[in-house]
Amino acid sequence: AQSVTQLDSHVSVSEGTPVLLRCNYSSSYSPSLFWYVQHPNKGLQLLLKYTSAATLVKGINGFEAEFKKSETSFHLTKPSAHMSDAAEYFCVVRTDTGFQKLVFGTGTRLLVSP
Amino acid sequence: GAVVSQHPSRVICKSGTSVKIECRSLDFQATTMFWYRQFPKQSLMLMATSNEGSKATYEQGVEKDKFLINHASLTLSTLTVTSAHPEDSSFYICSARDGRLAGGSEQFFGPGTRLTVL
Repeated sequence: AQSVTQLDSHVSVSEGTPVLLRCNYSSSYSPSLFWYVQHPNKGLQLLLKYTSAATLVKGINGFEAEFKKSETSFHLTKPSAHMSDAAEYFCVVRTDTGFQKLVFGTGTRLLVSP
Repeated sequence: GAVVSQHPSRVICKSGTSVKIECRSLDFQATTMFWYRQFPKQSLMLMATSNEGSKATYEQGVEKDKFLINHASLTLSTLTVTSAHPEDSSFYICSARDGRLAGGSEQFFGPGTRLTVL
């Protein structure tokens, strides 16, 4: 069964510094992976997705993620954090059989200080 | 495009009553809808998957008689929490996708419904 592990429950950065949110996946075949962001009292928003094309995926708001099969990782990065990036981030793997369900990681709360 | 709405956004009810939550796809036809539950500061847990016109498929441990799901049309699914109890208080989120489209496997999420059972 597919699963994802988010290695940090909280990450704190200063505005203008790089962001790294870590995610490792477990899958018996090449997975479809996603990063979603959840702002307080707002719906989940898709940041980016990997579906076996380019291993470096660019998303919205300056975020990107690199799929590394050798490390079973799909870490999310951004060169320079903005205050508005403070939110909960979820790494997600999709099951590619049946209903194509999404399996969510436990989430990482990103805190951005001035 | 690809907007999903939920109604209501917040609901407070008394223990023992039933509550219905609606999930609508506003600008596309949703062949499949998903219902998730999110406890405070926790991740989303899939409760059930429903295909239009079919019975919902529930995840292990989810009581189908307590969480009634109806997906009678391509734009509407409802979740009814029957005989609600305080432990049912949670954030319920739906998502929808049109599986008929090429690349139509992306799920679009609603804004969620906060249920509080007193």
